[in-house]
Amino acid sequence: EDQVTQSPEALRLQEGESSSLNCSYTVSGLRGLFWYRQDPGKGPEFLFTLYSAGEEKEKERLKATLTKKESFLHITAPKPEDSATYLCAVTPSGYALNFGKGTSLLVTP
Amino acid sequence: KAGVTQTPRYLIKTRGQQVTLSCSPISGHRSVSWYQQTPGQGLQFLFEYFSETQRNKGNFPGRFSGRQFSNSRSEMNVSTLELGDSALYLCASSLGWTGGSYEQYFGPGTRLTVT
Repeated sequence: EDQVTQSPEALRLQEGESSSLNCSYTVSGLRGLFWYRQDPGKGPEFLFTLYSAGEEKEKERLKATLTKKESFLHITAPKPEDSATYLCAVTPSGYALNFGKGTSLLVTP
Repeated sequence: KAGVTQTPRYLIKTRGQQVTLSCSPISGHRSVSWYQQTPGQGLQFLFEYFSETQRNKGNFPGRFSGRQFSNSRSEMNVSTLELGDSALYLCASSLGWTGGSYEQYFGPGTRLTVT
């Protein structure tokens, strides 16, 4: 059965304090791994798609990497506006996303 | 380009009633997926439609159904509502792999409360 586990469940950082979020997965034939950001009461906002081990993508202060068993979302010098829940999802089919429970990030000034 | 829109944004229903939620995908997107989000279970896949055909279905009872129209707009229906159906229902649209990408873009969701 496909599984996605995200850690930590919650993370509190000081502004400027870099860190990484982890997403470990087991899936029968990975078609893609996705990172989303979700603010309270809103739909998830697409961040990155990674398709193969070794792939990396960057956007502003965020960088996502992928290995055969896990993905990391690195946050460099975060700001309070980066506070949100970060969701990881995988798909073996391309149609249905299987989500982890998310990491709730709080960045304090 | 306009994003995914969902209506209504909020809904309060009574146990036993039925409800229909609507989703308009991003222009040009032919794949529409539906997800249920609850604090306990997180985001769970309900079903996906492409060109009016259901291609994939999650592990939900038959009370949950959906359909897609020729203009790619989609509706989902929940019959005989239960208290446990209270959740944020999210719609996502995608080009589908025919567009070279599996990326799904989510709407703001419909918050359903069952009393």
